[in-house]
Amino acid sequence: GQQVMQIPQYQHVQEGEDFTTYCNSSTTLSNIQWYKQRPGGHPVFLIQLVKSGEVKKQKRLTFQFGEAKKNSSLHITATQTTDVGTYFCAGLAMGTGGFKTIFGAGTRLFVKA
Amino acid sequence: AAGVIQSPRHLIKEKRETATLKCYPIPRHDTVYWYQQGPGQDPQFLISFYEKMQSDKGSIPDRFSAQQFSDYHSELNMSSLELGDSALYFCASSFGSNYGYTFGSGTRLTVV
Repeated sequence: GQQVMQIPQYQHVQEGEDFTTYCNSSTTLSNIQWYKQRPGGHPVFLIQLVKSGEVKKQKRLTFQFGEAKKNSSLHITATQTTDVGTYFCAGLAMGTGGFKTIFGAGTRLFVKA
Repeated sequence: AAGVIQSPRHLIKEKRETATLKCYPIPRHDTVYWYQQGPGQDPQFLISFYEKMQSDKGSIPDRFSAQQFSDYHSELNMSSLELGDSALYFCASSFGSNYGYTFGSGTRLTVV
């Protein structure tokens, strides 16, 4: 079946270091969304990428969508303690029953001050 | 701006009891989703509704059922509760499937 693999599962960084999480899909995606879930909180929508090769930036966060629309990445420059949380990607793909959004397992980011 | 409202925030039930979780989506959002998130796990899709009709079904146990009402609010009914049902249950809504989801704050269900 359709899968969205996300790596790494978790990452520990020192404050100020960069961080990247990657998503790979087994099928071509119509779009990919990124969410952030703080500890004890709920997932919050960050951004959606639609076009092949698209790159979007939100302050220290850079989101990329691969040329084949099968992979995506989220890069955080100079992490801060407020970046702590789990980052999920979610890909929208066409399946036998229509479009489905499939969440990756998430990457949990720990930032040490 | 109005968000997705879930109630109750916390719920404690005993094994074999029933529970009903409620979700009020963002006005004009036409799709509602239910997710179950265990400790340290990613959200697992349970079921979704588009314009009050079930649109997709995920890993929802037969003991659970859900519906969306004429006012677009949705309820997740859970019967014969088991210890393993203890989790955070999120409701999310969106305008179609091509836009980001807005998640509610979740209902934390504890089965004892």
